[in-house]
Amino acid sequence: SQKIEQNSEALNIQEGKTATLTCNYTNYSPAYLQWYRQDPGRGPVFLLLIRENEKEKRKERLKVTFDTTLKQSLFHITASQPADSATYLCALDDSWGRRALTFGSGTRLQVQP
Amino acid sequence: NAGVTQTPKFQVLKTGQSMTLQCAQDMNHEYMSWYRQDPGMGLRLIHYSVGAGITDQGEVPNGYNVSRSTTEDFPLRLLSAAPSQTSVYFCASREADTQYFGPGTRLTVL
Repeated sequence: SQKIEQNSEALNIQEGKTATLTCNYTNYSPAYLQWYRQDPGRGPVFLLLIRENEKEKRKERLKVTFDTTLKQSLFHITASQPADSATYLCALDDSWGRRALTFGSGTRLQVQP
Repeated sequence: NAGVTQTPKFQVLKTGQSMTLQCAQDMNHEYMSWYRQDPGMGLRLIHYSVGAGITDQGEVPNGYNVSRSTTEDFPLRLLSAAPSQTSVYFCASREADTQYFGPGTRLTVL
């Protein structure tokens, strides 16, 4: 079955630096990959979607890359701010044709002022 | 638009009790789903619905029932709660490839 791996250790960076989060997947070739942000006690919020035929997608300070050969996506936040501190989840379209998403367990980002 | 709403926000049950987690959306989305989130395990799909009157099982459906009588509502029922069902439950609706999540219900089963 498909498996998604995100670094379970928290990522701590200084304000102003670029944060880079990694999402690796196996046993599947997704049509697209998504990134969500989740704050404590809240539901995930959609950030970006990148399709299999796209190498890179940008939205303001966010950038996502998608390497289908490496089966990996990188999520970058440039000029990071303390307000960017949250858990970031990557998700793939479900391999069972259910139109659902399969989520990774997320990486917690802490931006220090 | 209120988006996706869930009630209650918190609930404590005793083993064997039943309850219904409510979910509603006002965006006229056909697709709705329920996930549970446990520490270190990510979100796992419980049940989903592609439209009123149509539901199907997800990855972890045992112990849960759903129905979809209207486009707006998608309640999740626990018939006989077990401690293994202690979790945070999220309802979501979907438009195209984007999912919109509710605020969640934190359920504790003693």
